[in-house]
Amino acid sequence: GAGVSQTPSNKVTEKGKYVELRCDPISGHTALYWYRQSLGQGPEFLIYFQGTGAADDSGLPNDRFFAVRPEGSVSTLKIQRTERGDSAVYLCASSLQGQSLDTQYFGPGTRLTVL
Amino acid sequence: RKEVEQDPGPFNVPEGATVAFNCTYSNSASQSFFWYRQDCRKEPKLLMSVYSSGNEDGRFTAQLNRASQYISLLIRDSKLSDSATYLCVVRGSTLGRLYFGRGTQLTVWP
Repeated sequence: GAGVSQTPSNKVTEKGKYVELRCDPISGHTALYWYRQSLGQGPEFLIYFQGTGAADDSGLPNDRFFAVRPEGSVSTLKIQRTERGDSAVYLCASSLQGQSLDTQYFGPGTRLTVL
Repeated sequence: RKEVEQDPGPFNVPEGATVAFNCTYSNSASQSFFWYRQDCRKEPKLLMSVYSSGNEDGRFTAQLNRASQYISLLIRDSKLSDSATYLCVVRGSTLGRLYFGRGTQLTVWP
């Protein structure tokens, strides 16, 4: 079956611009996660959705970052007033129910470059 | 202090070698433990979960020591296709989020 998909695969923007990154989870997965991976580092947690609601948004670095999942399926990560330090690969993952031993399946990521 | 500490390597080994990776985690309340594999410019993929009793999957053996907060991965009879970055991953007491180490890079040469 289809895995997690993310669009766009690459995004180049200028400092100060607004960007939206989209994640389409595996069908039937209620839990959805966003992570950010900088070069040479492991992924860092941003936000976790259970259904439509954000169950844990403690990883969002500041109020320029916002994410939604209005129908409990597709999610959009929104970044306002982008900064060069936002450049990274943004990874989305989904799991069946978000329980402790559920496997998180990752999408291919969106590589964001802020010039 | 980071939640998960991992030696970044790199490890360069010949085919057929045995190689071991280790990591430590800081939160004693952590609930579950994993090794993920990440190929260059690809997404992380689950390699195996790690249990207190230790578990094996073919050439791969994972161990967890809760008392020492230490996780290990042993790869026997290394193949060229094992070349990748291996990420030590911990699920904390907060439901959902995973904590990743920075990854250990492995290159297996012919």
